[in-house]
Amino acid sequence: KAGVTQTPRYLIKTRGQQVTLSCSPISGHRSVSWYQQTPGQGLQFLFEYFSETQRNKGNFPGRFSGRQFSNSRSEMNVSTLELGDSALYLCASSLDRAGGAFFGQGTRLTVV
Amino acid sequence: AQKITQTQPGMFVQEKEAVTLDCTYDTSDQSYGLFWYKQPSSGEMIFLIYQGSYDEQNATEGRYSLNFQKARKSANLVISASQLGDSAMYFCAMREGNTGKLIFGQGTTLQVKP
Repeated sequence: KAGVTQTPRYLIKTRGQQVTLSCSPISGHRSVSWYQQTPGQGLQFLFEYFSETQRNKGNFPGRFSGRQFSNSRSEMNVSTLELGDSALYLCASSLDRAGGAFFGQGTRLTVV
Repeated sequence: AQKITQTQPGMFVQEKEAVTLDCTYDTSDQSYGLFWYKQPSSGEMIFLIYQGSYDEQNATEGRYSLNFQKARKSANLVISASQLGDSAMYFCAMREGNTGKLIFGQGTTLQVKP
């Protein structure tokens, strides 16, 4: 069974640009959650999608958005990038709210 | 508020010895899940072990076991027979029962010495 796939693995963007990250969950998993990891703030929850609906959202500005498609693949978008958005972005795949949560390899975003 | 505390920023262990990584949690939920993840320098978050709040037996997965003490709100990870490849950052996390959101501790860096 294939694991969670995140693309791209690395990105370098300029301030003010926008970026889209992709996450393909484990086959059969309908829940996809996104997390931001920085040295200063640790791991922080961004949002969770289940069956194409956003169920939960963390405390991030509106520049951070996401969506989920009918095949459960999810995308995360960050608009008007700031230097502080430089981070490792991880997505987690689950059947639902209970049970295991499995992560992809992450996308390392650098904003210059 | 839900919280995970890992009090050991860094740990050293000799190869082939056992090591315990501490984790305490705070929640008012009756239903929750506890996880341990390993994060090597590559960044990937590798799932190690899971314990549900209603599970009476401590979870075990190969060399990993979770010492779950519900009354003390602790969920320590025990790694037996440490290997050099175990050197990594280890995160304890709690899954909120009503939202499914994972709350992470600050992590413990483990270094295995040959």
